[in-house]
Amino acid sequence: DGGITQSPKYLFRKEGQNVTLSCEQNLNHDAMYWYRQDPGQGLRLIYYSQIVNDFQKGDIAEGYSVSREKKESFPLTVTSAQKNPTAFYLCASSIGLAGGRAYEQYFGPGTRLTVT
Amino acid sequence: QKEVEQNSGPLSVPEGAIASLNCTYSDRGSQSFFWYRQYSGKSPELIMFIYSNGDKEDGRFTAQLNKASQYVSLLIRDSQPSDSATYLCAATYNSGGSNYKLTFGKGTLLTVNP
Repeated sequence: DGGITQSPKYLFRKEGQNVTLSCEQNLNHDAMYWYRQDPGQGLRLIYYSQIVNDFQKGDIAEGYSVSREKKESFPLTVTSAQKNPTAFYLCASSIGLAGGRAYEQYFGPGTRLTVT
Repeated sequence: QKEVEQNSGPLSVPEGAIASLNCTYSDRGSQSFFWYRQYSGKSPELIMFIYSNGDKEDGRFTAQLNKASQYVSLLIRDSQPSDSATYLCAATYNSGGSNYKLTFGKGTLLTVNP
């Protein structure tokens, strides 16, 4: 079964702790993305990677870090420097860019992070 | 700042009616447009994508694109209560070189009343 998995579904942490969110895909997609969603807000891009061992900052990268050592995996670390980490975190993947157009993104089920 | 604007709603339609969802985008260079459906507490699910001016139909859904007016719409025919969700519009923009990003609107909440 092809798809995107994110774990855990719910995560609770104390303020000041770093936490890593997992994202794995078996769709053989080159591009992977991390978004956060806050109530009443659209999705905001944190980081994205269009190829292994390369990634780019999105619109709200401060306080986050990523790695892309394998095509299938794109973990996101929420550091203690992120001022408002409580949010719904969504990972997505895509074929990427081909033939001059950007292909559709498919989302994982999300991780709901609560920091107190 | 690239923007995608949607009416937040809620848009309320009776069962069996046509629901019309609208979206405008600011980047004239945007090439690809997507509609996602998001149920409460769940992740977005891709419904339609469109790249060319005109209409694209898939079952009960029709996406319409007008690049001159920078306008995208989604029509849902024979609306069902199960269509009640938030609909997100997204547009691509070139962030430099071969890097393309999606900008999402905040979504329109659709309620289909039985």
